Order: sequence, then C-alpha cells, then structure tokens
Amino acid sequence: GQNIDQPTEMTATEGAIVQINCTYQTSGFNGLFWYQQHAGEAPTFLSYNVLDGLEEKGRFSSFLSRSKGYSYLLLKELQMKDSASYLCAVRFTTGRRALTFGSGTRLQVQP
Amino acid sequence: SQTIHQWPATLVQPVGSPLSLECTVEGTSNPNLYWYRQAAGRGLQLLFYSVGIGQISSEVPQNLSASRPQDRQFILSSKKLLLSDSGFYLCAWSMSTDTQYFGPGTRLTVL
Repeated sequence: GQNIDQPTEMTATEGAIVQINCTYQTSGFNGLFWYQQHAGEAPTFLSYNVLDGLEEKGRFSSFLSRSKGYSYLLLKELQMKDSASYLCAVRFTTGRRALTFGSGTRLQVQP
Repeated sequence: SQTIHQWPATLVQPVGSPLSLECTVEGTSNPNLYWYRQAAGRGLQLLFYSVGIGQISSEVPQNLSASRPQDRQFILSSKKLLLSDSGFYLCAWSMSTDTQYFGPGTRLTVL
C-alpha cells in the first residue's frame, strides 16, 4: 500500500518550536505536500518538497529525505492560531494525478 | 487569481434521499478536479478525480457518482444516501504543479 504515517496529536507551548514528522513508502514517490487545516475548515497549502533538503517559508519550514521516506514540518515561534491539524500528502507515480493524504496531526498550542 | 466555490455549505438529508453537490473553479482553464470526503477526525479520502470534461476516475466503489459537464464544473451525486455518507466533502483543483487547492467544503449530515 501507500501508507503515510504521522503522529495523531501533539501539544506545544506558545513561542516554542515544534516538529511534525511524516513517513511514507518510498516506492513511486514523486513529491510531498504539507497542508494546514483548522477545525471545520478546508485544508490550505503550506509547502511542497520534491528534492532532498529544507524549504523555508517564514515561520514554517519543511524537510525531505527521499532515501529515508521521511519529511518533517517545523513550526517556529508558535502562535495560538497555529493550533490546527497538519496533513502530510504524497504524490505517487501511479498514473493518477492525485495525492494520498495521511490522517493528519492535530497540534494544540498552549499559552 | 483562481477561486473555487462549493455549495451548499451545509446540508442535512434523510437516508435514501438524492444528493447533488456542486463545485466550480474560476480563473483557470482545464484544471484537474477532485472530490474528497473527510469523516470526523479522519484523513482525506479521494473519491473521484477528473482531468477533463467528461473524464471521471473513481477511486472507491460506492453509491456516489461524479460528473464534469463543463471545464470548470464538477458535480458529486447520489441517488440514495446512506448514513455512512455523512462527512465533510471537499472539492479541489490543480494544474501542472499538482499542488491542490481546496474549496470551502460541504458538511453533509445524513439522518
């Protein structure tokens, strides 16, 4: 199968740094996406990695290691509004132009 | 810029009734279009995707169907709803980069 694994829940403190991990099956890998989803809302795009390394976008960074089938999303200077679910999604070269989503990591930021 | 619309925002339907959810995209041509369902506290399940008018690929056999009568219109339908059809239905679009952008979603409750 094309399992994508990420922790179910995480808790962190306002102003701190948190790292959300994602592991996936490496066979057929063709790109990894991170989305943020606030409760009751649609997911919004955060980042895209297709090559190894770190992509930085303000307070958010995403890292990819293709050989290890591993990615993480790093959130710095946490704010209360960062409380949300974070979805890891992978594009596999299976012929269909769709993404396979993990179940998401629910992050709670505490004061 | 591109925008994606979904309606209705919320819907309560009895078991056995029909369903029609509509999604339209503005500001782009020949997008890839997707229908996802998200059960409460769960990840995104791909239902259908389309790469062009009249071209529909089904990911999960069930009592739902999809149609794409126009380039930027994607419709999700059912002849008879089941209790298990309750969930948050999300439409998304993408172009060549395959980054998917989601509409606001329809929350469906089947009673």
